[in-house]
Amino acid sequence: EAGVVQSPRYKIIEKKQPVAFWCNPISGHNTLYWYLQNLGQGPELLIRYENEEAVDDSQLPKDRFSAERLKGVDSTLKIQPAELGDSAVYLCASSSISGANTGELFFGEGSRLTVL
Amino acid sequence: SQQGEEDPQALSIQEGENATMNCSYKTSINNLQWYRQNSGRGLVHLILIRSNEREKHSGRLRVTLDTSKKSSSLLITASRAADTASYFCATSGGKLIFGQGTELSVKP
Repeated sequence: EAGVVQSPRYKIIEKKQPVAFWCNPISGHNTLYWYLQNLGQGPELLIRYENEEAVDDSQLPKDRFSAERLKGVDSTLKIQPAELGDSAVYLCASSSISGANTGELFFGEGSRLTVL
Repeated sequence: SQQGEEDPQALSIQEGENATMNCSYKTSINNLQWYRQNSGRGLVHLILIRSNEREKHSGRLRVTLDTSKKSSSLLITASRAADTASYFCATSGGKLIFGQGTELSVKP
């Protein structure tokens, strides 16, 4: 069974440029997460989807970040414009369990963003 | 914001020794999970313990949970060089919130 697939693995851009990350969750997993991980820190939740609905986006900086999961499968996370402080790893995870009682999450390898 | 605080931040041991990592949290939880992350990779789920459980085992892993003290510990017995990684606790109580992690180094 294929795991969570993310692309690109690495991205280097100049500040003020846009960037997009793509995630394909495990087949059949209705719940999808985007996390941000700074160096030496634990992951921080940006947004959680159940099917195509964003059920928790309270930590997503909506002035520059946006996300979509149009058909309830793949998801895209966009930053426009990027700032120096956005340099981090963006992790996608999926789960077969919905609702507040979170079960095991399956993570992708992450997309490492460097903003110059 | 991160709920869990992990202790120690870094731990260095010899192969064959046991490694103990602790996690404290602040609010009530449904379950607590432990994950491992090798350098430059994604997180891998290790074990989940529910709020009504006190101890759980999986291979060389032993997890305890004390909800009265809002704390958990992860014990890795007979450590191996391949156990070198960062270990994170994550609490579930509406959303999954990760701690800062413990960086474990196992020297051969």
